[in-house]
Amino acid sequence: QKEVEQDPGPLSVPEGAIVSLNCTYSNSAFQYFMWYRQYSRKGPELLMYTYSSGNKEDGRFTAQVDKSSKYISLFIRDSQPSDSATYLCAMSPRIQGAQKLVFGQGTRLTINP
Amino acid sequence: DGGITQSPKYLFRKEGQNVTLSCEQNLNHDAMYWYRQDPGQGLRLIYYSQIVNDFQKGDIAEGYSVSREKKESFPLTVTSAQKNPTAFYLCASSTDPGTASEQYFGPGTRLTVT
Repeated sequence: QKEVEQDPGPLSVPEGAIVSLNCTYSNSAFQYFMWYRQYSRKGPELLMYTYSSGNKEDGRFTAQVDKSSKYISLFIRDSQPSDSATYLCAMSPRIQGAQKLVFGQGTRLTINP
Repeated sequence: DGGITQSPKYLFRKEGQNVTLSCEQNLNHDAMYWYRQDPGQGLRLIYYSQIVNDFQKGDIAEGYSVSREKKESFPLTVTSAQKNPTAFYLCASSTDPGTASEQYFGPGTRLTVT
């Protein structure tokens, strides 16, 4: 079993829809949770970064962490064609030393005009 | 412009040859990382470095080598011992290796070995 599971999709929704992307994990030591967006043939860019449980909002994006269920989500409101990309969740435990991120497989998202 | 640069964008090599991928950052970040990305497998950590002249193996270090002689540079050599080297290689850096700070990625190098 992988430490982080993410449905690879593809996921296709109409413009303006609310998108929900999710990851589950098995390591209860994970404390830091991130979402990256990756356009085709580009490097990932950091979208959201949260610590422990709760919600964090940034514009049209909301990141949600439920540590009791070992489940994290990214919601995109008023989705736009420019949101079409692969979305990767990543997480790490509270550790000393370099941060070793564990990534999900990524979900390929397409927003149709 | 601050950022991470990787060169070249595309690289082609014959089987049995070693190849070195470049990664440079001008963000003054202490920690640097190399990942490999294969279709459907997400990112996997190859090597990471917290400070100059120090580096540690990640989850899939076999067949790879690195050096960290300067803070801004972290080249990755893919050796002939790597059984399946064709992949998309990503370099990243972060500000503080002692805490869970965000990692910032370069644009990647797509390596094809035939």
